[in-house]
Amino acid sequence: GQQLNQSPQSMFIQEGEDVSMNCTSSSIFNTWLWYKQDPGEGPVLLIALYKAGELTSNGRLTAQFGITRKDSFLNISASIPSDVGIYFCAGPELAGGTSYGKLTFGQGTILTVHP
Amino acid sequence: DTGVSQDPRHKITKRGQNVTFRCDPISEHNRLYWYRQTLGQGPEFLTYFQNEAQLEKSRLLSDRFSAERPKGSFSTLEIQRTEQGDSAMYLCASSLIRGDEKLFFGSGTQLSVL
Repeated sequence: GQQLNQSPQSMFIQEGEDVSMNCTSSSIFNTWLWYKQDPGEGPVLLIALYKAGELTSNGRLTAQFGITRKDSFLNISASIPSDVGIYFCAGPELAGGTSYGKLTFGQGTILTVHP
Repeated sequence: DTGVSQDPRHKITKRGQNVTFRCDPISEHNRLYWYRQTLGQGPEFLTYFQNEAQLEKSRLLSDRFSAERPKGSFSTLEIQRTEQGDSAMYLCASSLIRGDEKLFFGSGTQLSVL
């Protein structure tokens, strides 16, 4: 099956710093999704990307769909303490060239923000 | 709030017991998914329904696991003869059939098998 590799595995930053993380795959994706998960909660959708090269923002978050369709990047600007959590990239598996909503997740990037 | 609802939030059981979890999806969503997440990992797909039809089951879903969505609305996931390796967060998600692939997750049920 498809696998997604996220890096870095964890990040420790100061409040106010910018953050960048990425996700790579050995196979192409037609859609990239970024989720954030707080402890003891389910993942919350942050950004969805649908076209190679697409750049999409959601407040202080910006994500890009890589032009090779095998990677995606998430940036967080001016981090705040509530940005703490685990960030997952995800993409739907392709069945016969058509995705059908079954997501493969990366292993996550753990973000810690020091006040 | 009309998000995905899961019950219970936490379940502690003894090995060998049966457990059942419930998921209420977002009301207009046709698709419903079950995922399992262990510590330090991303969620892993278990099964999904389109309306009341169960269309795919992962190889992770052993014979001890069964899921139903009898009227195309809420779903239940039952684990029979629980094992310690079943300890995990069980997540439910729902989506529309419109090709945007956006899955909306519930808060999960944390299962601990002693």
